[in-house]
Amino acid sequence: EAGVTQFPSHSVIEKGQTVTLRCDPISGHDNLYWYRRVMGKEIKFLLHFVKESKQDESGMPNNRFLAERTGGTYSTLKVQPAELEDSGVYFCASSRQGIGTMNTEAFFGQGTRLTVV
Amino acid sequence: GEDVEQSLFLSVREGDSSVINCTYTDSSSTYLYWYKQEPGAGLQLLTYIFSNMDMKQDQRLTVLLNKKDKHLSLRIADTQTGDSAIYFCAETLEGFSGGYNKLIFGAGTRLAVHP
Repeated sequence: EAGVTQFPSHSVIEKGQTVTLRCDPISGHDNLYWYRRVMGKEIKFLLHFVKESKQDESGMPNNRFLAERTGGTYSTLKVQPAELEDSGVYFCASSRQGIGTMNTEAFFGQGTRLTVV
Repeated sequence: GEDVEQSLFLSVREGDSSVINCTYTDSSSTYLYWYKQEPGAGLQLLTYIFSNMDMKQDQRLTVLLNKKDKHLSLRIADTQTGDSAIYFCAETLEGFSGGYNKLIFGAGTRLAVHP
């Protein structure tokens, strides 16, 4: 079974540019999450999809961030326009059932390291 | 509030035990987790404990939970160089739609194992 894959692994862009991150969850996992770790700080929740629907997007920093999950398969996270403070590692995770459900594990991808210069 | 606190760094000698501590704020968390991140890799679930348990042991790992003090610890026995990584404590938190659908992480503890 393939794990959660994220693309690209690294991205360096200039302030004001647009970047799109992609996450391919484990096949059959309805739940998909985006998290971000900025500057060695805590890993912060961004949003949660159940299939193609946004279940909770309370962690999205502002309207420069747009997440989509067309068809309930892979997801993209677009940052437009990027600012310096958007630099960090963006993690995607997927799970068959919601986190906190008994015997449910969230599987994380390796992350995309975004650097805005 | 949504706060999980961890010390940032721990250095131990190979063969010794490591204890990584964490405090959390949400008393209604159902599960508490320990994740490990090795250099260049994603987050790997190490172990978790259900909130009605005090202790869980899994080979070299022992998790202790003190609900009264909202304190979670991870003990690694016979620490090896391969254990060098960042360890993240996390709690579940209720999402908007009900159910526990968020993980709230600490900043991570970097464990360095030296000979």
